[in-house]
Amino acid sequence: DTAVSQTPKYLVTQMGNDKSIKCEQNLGHDTMYWYKQDSKKFLKIMFSYNNKELIINETVPNRFSPKSPDKAHLNLHINSLELGDSAVYFCASSQIPTANTEAFFGQGTRLTVV
Amino acid sequence: SQQGEEDPQALSIQEGENATMNCSYKTSINNLQWYRQNSGRGLVHLILIRSNEREKHSGRLRVTLDTSKKSSSLLITASRAADTASYFCATGGLNTGGFKTIFGAGTRLFVKA
Repeated sequence: DTAVSQTPKYLVTQMGNDKSIKCEQNLGHDTMYWYKQDSKKFLKIMFSYNNKELIINETVPNRFSPKSPDKAHLNLHINSLELGDSAVYFCASSQIPTANTEAFFGQGTRLTVV
Repeated sequence: SQQGEEDPQALSIQEGENATMNCSYKTSINNLQWYRQNSGRGLVHLILIRSNEREKHSGRLRVTLDTSKKSSSLLITASRAADTASYFCATGGLNTGGFKTIFGAGTRLFVKA
């Protein structure tokens, strides 16, 4: 069974569109994250939620809005997509939020904005 | 910044050889973790070493941590073609906005059969 699953795996869309990426974890973890991996392979944290509450919000444009309906789900909605949003987005989860534990990653969503 | 920086950026070796990757960081950390990423896949956790530990082993992996030099190394012994992947170090600790795990850009390892 997949521990952290995100959909879709690939997403190609035009500039200006609004799109969502969904993430679900079945590990019973309290903390979930969104990371962005750019073309140079840097992996940067975007958001972190603990038990549905936002605890980390990096300097991310307001066009990005995470939503956590329950602690097993953390979705990412992006408004007015721009070319620079093209990247691979990874969802992850961990047992506790203090970064003293391993994180489990989803397979990634490759977003291409044309 | 706390971000880890891996060295080298890319490494190509023959199967059976050892592979050593290094990571340097700039601020205090609680722990340092190593992850592997196969092409087109998510990251997989390999090993976590806490700031009060100096060395840790897991199978063919050996990780060292030198907090005085703010550096860590990952050694993969007797490498196999299946070890071909990108390897990331990630530093965990208190940062602006709370505890975070911050990743570097990774070392791309290619093991030739």
